[in-house]
Amino acid sequence: GAGVSQSPSNKVTEKGKDVELRCDPISGHTALYWYRQSLGQGLEFLIYFQGNSAPDKSGLPSDRFSAERTGGSVSTLTIQRTQQEDSAVYLCASSRTVASTDTQYFGPGTRLTVL
Amino acid sequence: GEDVEQSLFLSVREGDSSVINCTYTDSSSTYLYWYKQEPGAGLQLLTYIFSNMDMKQDQRLTVLLNKKDKHLSLRIADTQTGDSAIYFCAEGKAAGNKLTFGGGTRVLVKP
Repeated sequence: GAGVSQSPSNKVTEKGKDVELRCDPISGHTALYWYRQSLGQGLEFLIYFQGNSAPDKSGLPSDRFSAERTGGSVSTLTIQRTQQEDSAVYLCASSRTVASTDTQYFGPGTRLTVL
Repeated sequence: GEDVEQSLFLSVREGDSSVINCTYTDSSSTYLYWYKQEPGAGLQLLTYIFSNMDMKQDQRLTVLLNKKDKHLSLRIADTQTGDSAIYFCAEGKAAGNKLTFGGGTRVLVKP
């Protein structure tokens, strides 16, 4: 595709519900990253996928957060039993590889509001 | 630990130069980046500099890196109203290129 796309653009949910956020990376990009942008924490890394390697989950804030990437393309970030502190903009980025010289292209984000 | 810090706000007159500063703590960073975020839009990479360089120029943008002091700056020459945005500096690691971002500097360009 032309760029990284994310859906939905906005999601409002009630505390305790599960949510799924989707990311479509740029075609051919093997690396995919999830970041979170919140008022209190700024922009923080959550998880990344590189090809068929095991994902680096070191940034996930709790075991309520999980992500998968099917077929090396689309990724889904799932938040179970959402809490109000999960409210943030969730950003997805993709790059050709994880090399530092490969630019990460960001999607527009999904704004999650937990009531 | 990893920490990237920026000032919160910068106001500048149209046509003047803007300088946005950033400090970081992790000396193992390989690349340092500047991203721009406009309202309602995603992050856009503006420029980056490899950690063994001390300056990079790209049109109106000049990046200066003082590795000894772990200080990075972005200078925007002839600032335009379209440059009003939030600017993030970020550092990346060799392994995985996970980015650590600063808190962002909101730049307001006044006509």
